[in-house]
Amino acid sequence: SAVISQKPSRDICQRGTSLTIQCQVDSQVTMMFWYRQQPGQSLTLIATANQGSEATYESGFVIDKFPISRPNLTFSTLTVSNMSPEDSSIYLCSVAGGGGYTFGSGTRLTVV
Amino acid sequence: AQSVTQPDIHITVSEGASLELRCNYSYGATPYLFWYVQSPGQGLQLLLKYFSGDTLVQGIKGFEAEFKRSQSSFNLRKPSVHWSDAAEYFCAVGSMNSGYSTLTFGKGTMLLVSP
Repeated sequence: SAVISQKPSRDICQRGTSLTIQCQVDSQVTMMFWYRQQPGQSLTLIATANQGSEATYESGFVIDKFPISRPNLTFSTLTVSNMSPEDSSIYLCSVAGGGGYTFGSGTRLTVV
Repeated sequence: AQSVTQPDIHITVSEGASLELRCNYSYGATPYLFWYVQSPGQGLQLLLKYFSGDTLVQGIKGFEAEFKRSQSSFNLRKPSVHWSDAAEYFCAVGSMNSGYSTLTFGKGTMLLVSP
């Protein structure tokens, strides 16, 4: 299965600022997925990123708040914009392959 | 819409004892079912998956799960728990959406292992 390198692993940010999270995959993949895991909660899909097209966002998530880039088949970024304390979560990227889904190690974001 | 229920938020098991984590799903078609484990500060690791065929699925680290369509369940089991199994466990169902599959996760079960 694919190996995903996600960074940063953690960050503490001031409210009102933005953070960009990067995911690099060791093989070419069609779809990349971005999830949010709020404290004590399960994972919620934010959006699906297909190379060469606009990301598809789930209900409750908008492009202005979570812009996604997918410049090639091995890389994607998620930006958390104009952050507030409610954005404090773990953000994970994921790819499908090998009969399952592989996840990055996550970015633990704390907004103060 | 699909959903996953993990009724146990926390479970404590003695080391060496058997383990069963419950998972119930709601999905209109034949589901793709997964169990993932998340250790503190780590990402998610796939334990096992069910797509079709034999309803008893073997996974890594000695885990297995049984798909029971009549009960809409996919419970995870391990005959003898080790202290290193302490982690959070997530059940997920995969659904097809416009030609690709996305995952819906349960809220997770935190496993604590006592000596």
